[in-house]
Amino acid sequence: QKEVEQDPGPLSVPEGAIVSLNCTYSNSAFQYFMWYRQYSRKGPELLMYTYSSGNKEDGRFTAQVDKSSKYISLFIRDSQPSDSATYLCARGGNQFYFGTGTSLTVIP
Amino acid sequence: DSGVTQTPKHLITATGQRVTLRCSPRSGDLSVYWYQQSLDQGLQFLIQYYNGEERAKGNILERFSAQQFPDLHSELNLSSLELGDSALYFCASSKRTAGELFFGEGSRLTVL
Repeated sequence: QKEVEQDPGPLSVPEGAIVSLNCTYSNSAFQYFMWYRQYSRKGPELLMYTYSSGNKEDGRFTAQVDKSSKYISLFIRDSQPSDSATYLCARGGNQFYFGTGTSLTVIP
Repeated sequence: DSGVTQTPKHLITATGQRVTLRCSPRSGDLSVYWYQQSLDQGLQFLIQYYNGEERAKGNILERFSAQQFPDLHSELNLSSLELGDSALYFCASSKRTAGELFFGEGSRLTVL
């Protein structure tokens, strides 16, 4: 079983929509989770860093961790064409494990 | 700008050759990670160094090696290059293993 699993998409939404990106993780011993945004052939950019469970909000982005279901989510409100990218979830702890990424396209 | 610097940005070389990729971590970060990302593939963890010592190894080929120097910069050496080694190579750094991880912009290697 992979440490982190992510639906690869692709996901296509109209501008202004709320986007929900999801990952599951297998090892509940570690509680550090991150979301990255990667534009094509560029370095992943750290968007959100969360520890333990609950919600963390930063502007249009909200990261949510549900420890009971081992589910991590990223919500993007009022999505913009500039949000079109691949989003990677990751788990920290003794080592970093990344999902394979979800490709998002926001259509103007 | 993440603060992680990678050079060169682009590199084109021939099969059988050897190249060295360089990474300068963010100021204050002791841990350096190397990842490989092939076209439309996920990030593949290669190796981690912490304060000059190898801490963890991933799917790193024997033809590849790395080191972290006393000034904390790191180099990834790729030898006997094959066509399949063409990829983006990312360096990332963090203050500690469990902390936030910041990536450089990558070195794009093309093997012809």
